[in-house]
Formats: sequence, C-alpha cells, structure tokens
Amino acid sequence: GQNIDQPTEMTATEGAIVQINCTYQTSGFNGLFWYQQHAGEAPTFLSYNVLDGLEEKGRFSSFLSRSKGYSYLLLKELQMKDSASYLCAVGGSTLGRLYFGRGTQLTVWP
Amino acid sequence: DAMVIQNPRYQVTQFGKPVTLSCSQTLNHNVMYWYQQKSSQAPKLLFHYYDKDFNNEADTPDNFQSRRPNTSFCFLDIRSPGLGDAAMYLCATSLGREQYFGPGTRLTVT
Repeated sequence: GQNIDQPTEMTATEGAIVQINCTYQTSGFNGLFWYQQHAGEAPTFLSYNVLDGLEEKGRFSSFLSRSKGYSYLLLKELQMKDSASYLCAVGGSTLGRLYFGRGTQLTVWP
Repeated sequence: DAMVIQNPRYQVTQFGKPVTLSCSQTLNHNVMYWYQQKSSQAPKLLFHYYDKDFNNEADTPDNFQSRRPNTSFCFLDIRSPGLGDAAMYLCATSLGREQYFGPGTRLTVT
C-alpha cells in the first residue's frame, strides 16, 4: 500500500519562513511532487524531486531524502497569497501515477 | 492558452439521477485522469486513460464509468449518484511525469 503523511495544518506570519514536511512509504517511487491548492481551485504544480537534495525555485525550495522517505517544502518571505493547501505526492511505478497526501493547510497571518 | 477545461464548474444532481461531467484539453496529452476529492482529503484517483487504454483503480465503485471518445475529451459518468458521491471531481492530463489539472467540477447531490 501507499502511505503519505504530512501535517494537517500550519500557521505562519507574513515575511516568515515555513517548512512543510512529508514522509512516505510507497511500493514504487518515481519522484516526489509538491502541489499548491487554493480553496475551491485545482492543484497547481510547484516542484519535483527525483534525486536527493535541494531544488530551489524562487521563494520555494523542495528537499528529498529517498533513504529516509522524507521531503520538505520550504516557503520563504511568506505572503498572504501563500495561504493554501500544499499537497505532497509520490510518483508510483506506473508513469504519471501519483499518490497524494491529504495536504497541509497553511494560513499566513498579517 | 493550452489548458484543461472542465464543465460545468458546479453541478447539482438528485439522488440516483445519472450525471455526466466533462473534461477537455488543448495540451494534446496522451494521458487523462479523473480524481475525486472530498473536503480536506487527498485527491483519490478513480481511473485514467493512457491513449485509449482504460485503467480502473481497484477500489473505484462500479457506479463510476468513463469514456474517452478522442484525445481531447474525457467524460465521467456517475450512474446512480449517492449522497456520498458529493465531492470535487478533478480532471488532469499528462505527457510524462507532471500532471496538469483542470479547475474541477463541484458535485452536489440532493
């Protein structure tokens, strides 16, 4: 089976840094994805890691450790518009197949 | 702009009355997916098409069917909706590893 865990909720203030963790146990692995989902909207792609290490993309960075089954999404210089759910997803053994976590609801306060 | 389009955005149906949700794409992607997402839960894959090859998830109820008449269009048919089928239904496409999501159709069952 597939098991993907991430915290349910997090809060932070504008301008701060927040780290959203994700741990996974899956039968196959074809990369680790992070998606952002605003309330009532579709998920949008943020990042993809297939090798260990840190991938940086502007204010967002994502880290992967395959041996530990662990990833995190780091958001810097938080803005109000970053309030959203952040979904961790693992690529399965079938190309394109994604297994999603429940999502972490991030609230950014002024 | 190339995109994934879902119609309608909001659908209300009666208990037991068949309903069809539509998805179209201008990305010319060969893979199309249907997900069900309930409030504060992970998107759950119902089925996907790899070109014309249909792939059903083992735990997708028989009540859910799908059609893909051509590359651009994919339909989700719910033969006899129950109250438990009220959810957001997301269509996604991919050519490789990344999935592109449509805006979703929120289904209400009365």
